[in-house]
Parts: sequence; C-alpha cells; structure tokens
Amino acid sequence: NAGVTQTPKFQVLKTGQSMTLQCAQDMNHEYMSWYRQDPGMGLRLIHYSVGAGITDQGEVPNGYNVSRSTTEDFPLRLLSAAPSQTSVYFCASSYSGTGIEQYFGPGTRLTVT
Amino acid sequence: AQKVTQAQTEISVVEKEDVTLDCVYETRDTTYYLFWYKQPPSGELVFLIRRNSFDEQNEISGRYSWNFQKSTSSFNFTITASQVVDSAVYFCALSDNNDMRFGAGTRLTVKP
Repeated sequence: NAGVTQTPKFQVLKTGQSMTLQCAQDMNHEYMSWYRQDPGMGLRLIHYSVGAGITDQGEVPNGYNVSRSTTEDFPLRLLSAAPSQTSVYFCASSYSGTGIEQYFGPGTRLTVT
Repeated sequence: AQKVTQAQTEISVVEKEDVTLDCVYETRDTTYYLFWYKQPPSGELVFLIRRNSFDEQNEISGRYSWNFQKSTSSFNFTITASQVVDSAVYFCALSDNNDMRFGAGTRLTVKP
C-alpha cells in the first residue's frame, strides 16, 4: 500500500493563479481531510469529507474548494492564490472520522509570491 | 469551540533527562478524543497515541507515558530518558464530530 500520497511536493504560484493539490489514498478510507500548517499555529483543518460525494468546511475554508467524486481522491483547489495561502498542506485519511488515528501524506509546500 | 493549548513553544534538554510536554484542551462535548503526533525534522506526521474522553487510564509505551486528567482538562506527555532521536515537534490534538484542532506544537530538542 502506498498510503496517502500528495502531489506536487513543492509549488510556487503567483498571486491570482489557480491550482489543484492532489491527494489520494489506497486504504479504502471513508474520511479524508486537508490541513494547512503555518509556523507557530499547528495544523488547521481546511475541509473534510466523510465519504464520496460529501464534503464539509473545517476551521479555515476560505479560498479553498474541494470535491470527492471517488473514495480514493480528495483534491484541494485554490481558485485565486494569495500570499496568505503560503503554507505546508497536509492531506490525511482515516477509516472513519477524526476519532481514530489519521494517516497523513508527506505534505505539499506551497509558496505564493 | 474546541481549543488546544500547548504553552511550551520550545524545550531543550540533555540526553537522558526526563521531559514533560503539556497539553490543555477546551471542549463543551462529553465525547471527544485526544491525540499526540510527532513531527520529526523530515516533516511527516507520526501518530503516537489516542485517548477517548471516557478512558482516563494513564498509558505507558516504552519510554513514553501519557497522563490524562479530565478534572484539569490536560493530556500531558512524558518522555523518560530522552534520546537525540526524540528531537521533533510534538502536537497535541482534540477531535470531536469530524472536526480536529491541533495545538501550536512544542519543539523538543534533545542534545547529546
């Protein structure tokens, strides 16, 4: 099993550009989520999904869109990148919800100039 | 709203010292889950432990131990006889109803 994979590992965007961060898991997990990690702030939940076709907002959803068309994939879209979105982004999954261990991807380091 | 506070931003110890990382949480729910994750310099997040709100038993796993006290809303983590490989950022997290809140993390440096 590859676990949770994320692409790309690094990305530089200019303000206003759009892009999609990819996340995939091969563990048949129902729950998937996106976090951003900023210095001194820990990880903050952006969006999550409890199953294909179902998504919901987390603590910091503004500026990000998600969709879940399959169990395996949970892409995160930045429609118009801003410097405030410079961060490290982690995707995570679990069999069901956040009450059990989540498996994290390796992260994507995004810089918006 | 949920909140997790890790008051210690950075801790530095010498190898073989014991060290305790503090975690205080806030929640209105009676059912919740607490976690500790480790983030070594390589950047990945490593799960260490999970506790539910109905299980206040302390746990020991090798050199690691956890003290969960609902009366003080704390879930502290102790490393006994620290080693250089323990150097990492440690996060405490609180989960409730598919939402998860992390503390800001404590950077632990263990010097040889």
